[in-house]
Amino acid sequence: EAQVTQNPRYLITVTGKKLTVTCSQNMNHEYMSWYRQDPGLGLRQIYYSMNVEVTDKGDVPEGYKVSRKEKRNFPLILESPSPNQTSLYFCASRSHGPGDEQYFGPGTRLTVT
Amino acid sequence: KNQVEQSPQSLIILEGKNCTLQCNYTVSPFSNLRWYKQDTGRGPVSLTIMTFSENTKSNGRYTATLDADTKQSSLHITASQLSDSASYICVVSARGGGNKLTFGTGTQLKVEL
Repeated sequence: EAQVTQNPRYLITVTGKKLTVTCSQNMNHEYMSWYRQDPGLGLRQIYYSMNVEVTDKGDVPEGYKVSRKEKRNFPLILESPSPNQTSLYFCASRSHGPGDEQYFGPGTRLTVT
Repeated sequence: KNQVEQSPQSLIILEGKNCTLQCNYTVSPFSNLRWYKQDTGRGPVSLTIMTFSENTKSNGRYTATLDADTKQSSLHITASQLSDSASYICVVSARGGGNKLTFGTGTQLKVEL
């Protein structure tokens, strides 16, 4: 089954404690991205990757890092989380064609206290 | 600045009734327009994708229309069901630059008995 998986699904942490949210897809997609979703705001792109070892900033990259060492994985790293990073995070993947379907993961709800 | 605006923000209808959701965009250069359904706390799921040359596309009881001249789209839901209760998000893709997606903030639909 084609899918994007994220772990953990829920996370409560404290300010400054480094964390990583993993994302994996089994569709051999080149393009992967991370979004955050906050009440009243649309999904906002944090980072994206067009292929292995190719990453770029989205609209709200501050406070986040990513890496793309393998095609299937695209982890999101918060080196020093702060309360304003409390949000619902989604990973997504798709092929390179502009009309290609984008598949979203189930989401990770992060709370930083 | 690329923008996607949706209306109404929220909508309550009775089961079995039809409804239409609106999307206006100012994304350029235009590549395609997508409608997603997002259940609470879950990842968005694609309903339709339309390119410049398509002005209507259906997916079961969902029918999307696109007027590329006026930069407007609508999503029509026929014979609504309780399971249609969700947020419906309009997303517009720009050509080039990684086919960046611009998300609307969504219309929250509630279907009641």
